[in-house]
Amino acid sequence: EAGVTQSPTHLIKTRGQQATLRCSPISGHTSVYWYQQALGLGLQFLLWYDEGEERNRGNFPPRFSGRQFPNYSSELNVNALELEDSALYLCASSFLGRDTEAFFGQGTRLTVV
Amino acid sequence: SQQGEEDPQALSIQEGENATMNCSYKTSINNLQWYRQNSGRGLVHLILIRSNEREKHSGRLRVTLDTSKKSSSLLITASRAADTASYFCAIILTGGGNKLTFGTGTQLKVEL
Repeated sequence: EAGVTQSPTHLIKTRGQQATLRCSPISGHTSVYWYQQALGLGLQFLLWYDEGEERNRGNFPPRFSGRQFPNYSSELNVNALELEDSALYLCASSFLGRDTEAFFGQGTRLTVV
Repeated sequence: SQQGEEDPQALSIQEGENATMNCSYKTSINNLQWYRQNSGRGLVHLILIRSNEREKHSGRLRVTLDTSKKSSSLLITASRAADTASYFCAIILTGGGNKLTFGTGTQLKVEL
């Protein structure tokens, strides 16, 4: 069975541009999470989607947005890119429920130049 | 901050030795989980311990949870070079739904 897949693996954008990152969850998982991991730092929670709805949002500006599609895949959009947006963006999926583990994709490395 | 904080930040040991990492948090939790990350790639789930559990084992891993002290520890016994990675604790806050809040991580290096 396929794990969580993210695309692209690497993305290089110029400051001010927009970036779109994609995530396909494990089959049967309805929840998708997005995290940002800047170099040398921990994971910062961005967004949580379940059944197509945004359930929770981290402390990020509105230019970070996303959506979840009917097939539970998800997109993360970052508008007006800034240099400090350069990071590894990780997507995870899980069943809905407290005592459930999250499965992570390999991430998209976004570099803003 | 409500997130977990790991201690130490970095740990270097010899193969065959045990490695212990600690995690502290500040609020009420539903469960606490440990994850491993190799070389800036995706995270791999290691173990989940519920708030009403005190200890869990999985292979060479042993996790303890002390909710009165708001702390957890991860013990890796008989470490191997392949255990070299960053280890993160993550908590599900009470009333936090499914959202995992991660700590800052411990970088473990196991030398031959």
